[in-house]
Amino acid sequence: DVKVTQSSRYLVKRTGEKVFLECVQDMDHENMFWYRQDPGLGLRLIYFSYDVKMKEKGDIPEGYSVSREKKERFSLILESASTNQTSMYLCASSFLGAWNIHNEQFFGPGTRLTVL
Amino acid sequence: GENVEQHPSTLSVQEGDSAVIKCTYSDSASNYFPWYKQELGKRPQLIIDIRSNVGEKKDQRIAVTLNKTAKHFSLHITETQPEDSAVYFCAASKDDKIIFGKGTRLHILP
Repeated sequence: DVKVTQSSRYLVKRTGEKVFLECVQDMDHENMFWYRQDPGLGLRLIYFSYDVKMKEKGDIPEGYSVSREKKERFSLILESASTNQTSMYLCASSFLGAWNIHNEQFFGPGTRLTVL
Repeated sequence: GENVEQHPSTLSVQEGDSAVIKCTYSDSASNYFPWYKQELGKRPQLIIDIRSNVGEKKDQRIAVTLNKTAKHFSLHITETQPEDSAVYFCAASKDDKIIFGKGTRLHILP
């Protein structure tokens, strides 16, 4: 059974703080993803990673960075948190697809971040 | 890049009736179309998917159709039940990155 865990369910930070969100998966998945979920906007991709030390920008990378030092762990970093980064953050993972083979993404429980 | 439009944003149906959610995509190279269901307070989970070499796929009360020419795909839920109440996301992909629609909140009325 795939398990994707996130370090916190709820987090409250102040404007300007550096924030780390951690995601760990236990299924040896190559791909890991960070999304933010806002009402009426769906799931928007921030960053993703196909392998250790590899990262690619998603649709809304501004204000975020990521780190993938180990295969099972993918961290999202807010260098200087701002109020417009208040959101639900979801991590996901999947196996790397071969040509024309796509694999299900498994999501973590989410971290609700509030920036005051 | 890919853009996925999803309609309606909210849908209310009587228990036992059918529900249909429609999506369009922009990138003709997209070849994989998953649907995720997110119950209140829970994480999104895959419920059904379809690949571009197939026009229709069914799994019990859930079916998905794909029209590649028109770049449309739809989710059909028949004989709706209270546990079908959730937010449903369509998505499109041509590689390991998935682009999601904005979601449809489905209410099943008693």
